[in-house]
Amino acid sequence: AQRVTQPEKLLSVFKGAPVELKCNYSYSGSPELFWYVQYSRQRLQLLLRHISRESIKGFTADLNKGETSFHLKKPFAQEEDSAMYYCALGGRGAQKLVFGQGTRLTINP
Amino acid sequence: DTEVTQTPKHLVMGMTNKKSLKCEQHMGHRAMYWYKQKAKKPPELMFVYSYEKLSINESVPSRFSPECPNSSLLNLHLHALQPEDSALYLCASSQDWAGSSPLHFGNGTRLTVT
Repeated sequence: AQRVTQPEKLLSVFKGAPVELKCNYSYSGSPELFWYVQYSRQRLQLLLRHISRESIKGFTADLNKGETSFHLKKPFAQEEDSAMYYCALGGRGAQKLVFGQGTRLTINP
Repeated sequence: DTEVTQTPKHLVMGMTNKKSLKCEQHMGHRAMYWYKQKAKKPPELMFVYSYEKLSINESVPSRFSPECPNSSLLNLHLHALQPEDSALYLCASSQDWAGSSPLHFGNGTRLTVT
C-alpha cells in the first residue's frame, strides 16, 4: 500500500527565513515522489519531482530512502511562495498517485 | 497547447438533473483522470482512463459515469447527485498511466448540488 504523510497542516514563516515542508512516505516498491503546488485561484501544478533533481523557484527536495522522506526546502522564503503544497507518491508498479493531506504555507512580510 | 481545459467552470444542479463535465487536452497524453476535491482536502482519485479504456474506478457511485470518446476528450456524466457530491471536480492528464508520470491538472469545475 502507498501512504504519504505531511505532518504539518499549516506552516507560517517570515519572508527571508528558511522553509521546510515535511513529507514521509511508505511504499514497498521503488518510489517516485512529487511536490505539487496550488497557488490561490490557480490550478494544481507540478512543482518538482525527485528524479529531476532540479531546483524550481528556489525549492529543492531530496529523496531519502533510508528515512523514507522527501522534504521540500527553500533557503529564503518569498511572499509569493504562499500556497498549498501537496506531496505525492507514485512509483513503478503503483497504480495511482497518492497525495498527502497537504500543507498550507504562509509567508509573512 | 500545454493545458488541460475543463468546462463549465461552475455548475449548479438539482438532485434530479442530468449534466456533464467536459475535459480536453491536446498534449498527446494517453492517460486521463477525474479527481474530486473537497475544501481543504487533497484530490481524491475517481477514475483513470488509459488509451481510452477505463483502467481504474475507485468504487465511485454509479451516479457518476465517465466517458472517453477519444484520446483528447474526457467526460463525466452526472445523474441524481446528492448534496454531498458538491465539490471541485478536477480533470488531469499524463503522458502515460503510471505512478511515474507527472499529472497536468485543469482548473476544475466547481459543482454545487442543491
